[in-house]
Amino acid sequence: DQQVKQNSPSLSVQEGRISILNCDYTNSMFDYFLWYKKYPAEGPTFLISISSIKDKNEDGRFTVFLNKSAKHLSLHIVPSQPGDSAVYFCAASAGSTSGSRLTFGEGTQLTVNP
Amino acid sequence: GAGVSQSPRYKVAKRGQDVALRCDPISGHVSLFWYQQALGQGPEFLTYFQNEAQLDKSGLPSDRFFAERPEGSVSTLKIQRTQQEDSAVYLCASSPPGGEKLFFGSGTQLSVL
Repeated sequence: DQQVKQNSPSLSVQEGRISILNCDYTNSMFDYFLWYKKYPAEGPTFLISISSIKDKNEDGRFTVFLNKSAKHLSLHIVPSQPGDSAVYFCAASAGSTSGSRLTFGEGTQLTVNP
Repeated sequence: GAGVSQSPRYKVAKRGQDVALRCDPISGHVSLFWYQQALGQGPEFLTYFQNEAQLDKSGLPSDRFFAERPEGSVSTLKIQRTQQEDSAVYLCASSPPGGEKLFFGSGTQLSVL
């Protein structure tokens, strides 16, 4: 039972263009969502998050959009840079406290071509 | 400032061997999580500690898996009688009190032959 799903295993974009990564979830109890970025041989690093009381959160080049009715979120990266090439994981939790366990998607490999 | 430290970085075990994986969280972080990441998959929850108390171990796949954090800092994940399906990257993560996000270590890549 995959509660968080990233349907695109890979995405390739040109430098300077927009990257859009998508994520769907099924569990209605999820109310906090995060994106993590992972380089090879490193652990995931936190990128951006959003609470279910919001529908958009922006941090520099990164924006996360949440559509609760569709149980869908997306990460927009504008403009994309070659250093953004990594695996991006969507994650969700029921609650945003420090003890909340995260449920991850399978990841999307983003490649930004110079 | 040191991040979450995991050792060993790589571990090769023969099937049936016991292994112990160590996690040293960021100082002051009360919450500690273990995740298992199979090749091509996202991390999957194994267990959670708040200080020395193991509050959730529902993700441990079998009774061959055991985790402890006796003094509320360093944690050890032990796998007894390893099987080939245990081959994965084991990630440790910690978060501070009231923290909303997890800080991950680089993981231990376990290969069971």
